[in-house]
Amino acid sequence: GDSVTQMEGPVTLSEEAFLTINCTYTATGYPSLFWYVQYPGEGLQLLLKATKADDKGSNKGFEATYRKETTSFHLEKGSVQVSDSAVYFCALAISSGSARQLTFGSGTQLTVLP
Amino acid sequence: SAVISQKPSRDICQRGTSLTIQCQVDSQVTMMFWYRQQPGQSLTLIATANQGSEATYESGFVIDKFPISRPNLTFSTLTVSNMSPEDSSIYLCSVRDGYNSPLHFGNGTRLTVT
Repeated sequence: GDSVTQMEGPVTLSEEAFLTINCTYTATGYPSLFWYVQYPGEGLQLLLKATKADDKGSNKGFEATYRKETTSFHLEKGSVQVSDSAVYFCALAISSGSARQLTFGSGTQLTVLP
Repeated sequence: SAVISQKPSRDICQRGTSLTIQCQVDSQVTMMFWYRQQPGQSLTLIATANQGSEATYESGFVIDKFPISRPNLTFSTLTVSNMSPEDSSIYLCSVRDGYNSPLHFGNGTRLTVT
């Protein structure tokens, strides 16, 4: 079945450090890939997405490239801020129209220290 | 994107009681879902809320425990019935407007059962 494997956390970085959160997937068909972010006490927000191979999603300084050859969608940011502290979820969706199509990874807790 | 309002944002309930969570969207949406996020874990889909008919439940979730209503295209409720401490979780309403569009989430309801 479809699955998403995320880098285990927690991850602790100093402000302005480079961030990578690894995400790999297993899927039948051609999934769309997403990163969601959950700030403390809030629900999930869509951070970025990519719908086909070699697409790059970007938002708020974060980037992720859909790599079909390595089945990966790693999240990166060149210089993190304290306000980026949150839980990040990688997810995939198969365009089958089924409610079961969205599969989440386990989440990675990021803490950025000033 | 749709603005999703979820109420209550948090509650502390006694064992054996029931709580109804409301989800209001500011526009008509095709699909509405209810997710559960247990402490430190990823999201698990509970059910798809179907307008005007019974919800579609995922494996491990039943209507008697989690009755769902969706009277129109902008509103849904989830009831957590006969609660036990194991039901302590964040419950999230989410919506999608079309099969290929991303999920958007409400801020969630943080439930603690004592």
